[in-house]
Amino acid sequence: ELKVEQNPLFLSMQEGKNYTIYCNYSTTSDRLYWYRQDPGKSLESLFVLLSNGAVKQEGRLMASLDTKARLSTLHITAAVHDLSATYFCAVDLLNTGNQFYFGTGTSLTVIP
Amino acid sequence: DVKVTQSSRYLVKRTGEKVFLECVQDMDHENMFWYRQDPGLGLRLIYFSYDVKMKEKGDIPEGYSVSREKKERFSLILESASTNQTSMYLCASSLTGGRPQHFGDGTRLSIL
Repeated sequence: ELKVEQNPLFLSMQEGKNYTIYCNYSTTSDRLYWYRQDPGKSLESLFVLLSNGAVKQEGRLMASLDTKARLSTLHITAAVHDLSATYFCAVDLLNTGNQFYFGTGTSLTVIP
Repeated sequence: DVKVTQSSRYLVKRTGEKVFLECVQDMDHENMFWYRQDPGLGLRLIYFSYDVKMKEKGDIPEGYSVSREKKERFSLILESASTNQTSMYLCASSLTGGRPQHFGDGTRLSIL
């Protein structure tokens, strides 16, 4: 059974600080996705990583993928309050079409 | 932009009722998915569909069925609702091959 683990599950950080969220998965895949969910809202796609070494950046967020280590990271630079949300990673197995396996999410709170 | 529309944001039903949740997407996506989201458990896949009239069980199909008579519409059916089916239900759609899933706003279902 594929397992996708995120850590930390909860993260409270001060504005201006940097931090990294980790996503480990248990089987071979070279397709990984990051999503953001605001309270009471649906999931919004942030990044699509489709190969080993892929790096994507948008504003203060940068995502990377190491398929050999089965690890993706979401790095937050100089956090601001607007980044407070829950972040999910999801893995797409190559032989199951577009079926995703989601991590349990990281709830991020940025404190002014 | 992709639009995935779920028929209700909030729904309250009674134990034993047959409940229909509807989802429509406007981007001609082949794949459609139903998830439930519960605190601490992340997103769990109930059913998905790769094409009209096709369906595949996800991780937690018990107590649910689905229908996909047209490409744009994917319905989730609770045959006889029970209190443990109280949850947030999310519908998603996607193209195949390394594409992100696009989510609807969710239906918060309460079974009394």
